[in-house]
Amino acid sequence: ETGVTQSPTHLIKTRGQQVTLRCSSQSGHNTVSWYQQALGQGPQFIFQYYREEENGRGNFPPRFSGLQFPNYSSELNVNALELDDSALYLCASSRSTGFNEQYFGPGTRLTVT
Amino acid sequence: GENVGLHLPTLSVQEGDNSIINCAYSNSASDYFIWYKQESGKGPQFIIDIRSNMDKRQGQRVTVLLNKTVKHLSLQIAATQPGDSAVYFCAENSSEGAGGTSYGKLTFGQGTILTVHP
Repeated sequence: ETGVTQSPTHLIKTRGQQVTLRCSSQSGHNTVSWYQQALGQGPQFIFQYYREEENGRGNFPPRFSGLQFPNYSSELNVNALELDDSALYLCASSRSTGFNEQYFGPGTRLTVT
Repeated sequence: GENVGLHLPTLSVQEGDNSIINCAYSNSASDYFIWYKQESGKGPQFIIDIRSNMDKRQGQRVTVLLNKTVKHLSLQIAATQPGDSAVYFCAENSSEGAGGTSYGKLTFGQGTILTVHP
């Protein structure tokens, strides 16, 4: 078990709604990355947060946004939910940016109906 | 999009056998590689990593081999146990970003389903 926690565990939302997912990083880790994992596929990089700023972004639209707080915890916000947003959302923390082991939390399962 | 994920490669072995899981990566600039194990309903769990200045690294019961010439990575699990049953992903870490702070972005492979029969 890693020290990365995520909440909630499961969530059901309706198309068009907004959702906020939360992540607490492992002790000593200052960098948080978010990934989306569709059923049967590998995780896809959404973005990374370091020093409370977005430090890099994958191929996701602007309606995916995030925050990082002074205690290094992070939020992922998704606006105008679409059916294809249904997935497992994973948070990973690491000691710093660049080449470092990323430790994953258990994920939040989001279902959009 | 294409549902390639619905046809994940599978590997079935008997308990006690050695398992070899293969992965092809795409970015020749990647110089850090990681194997993750993901059990149903859980997040990926770090198994072992290797940097591009190495071609082999060993852990407890696991060995990772890296062939940069053909951009191929493999994970060998010795004396496979039923608890090893899971989906295994390779991931390449490319450090991106110009100037400022670079960031490590993991790009995951397709995944392989390993089933270990008692």
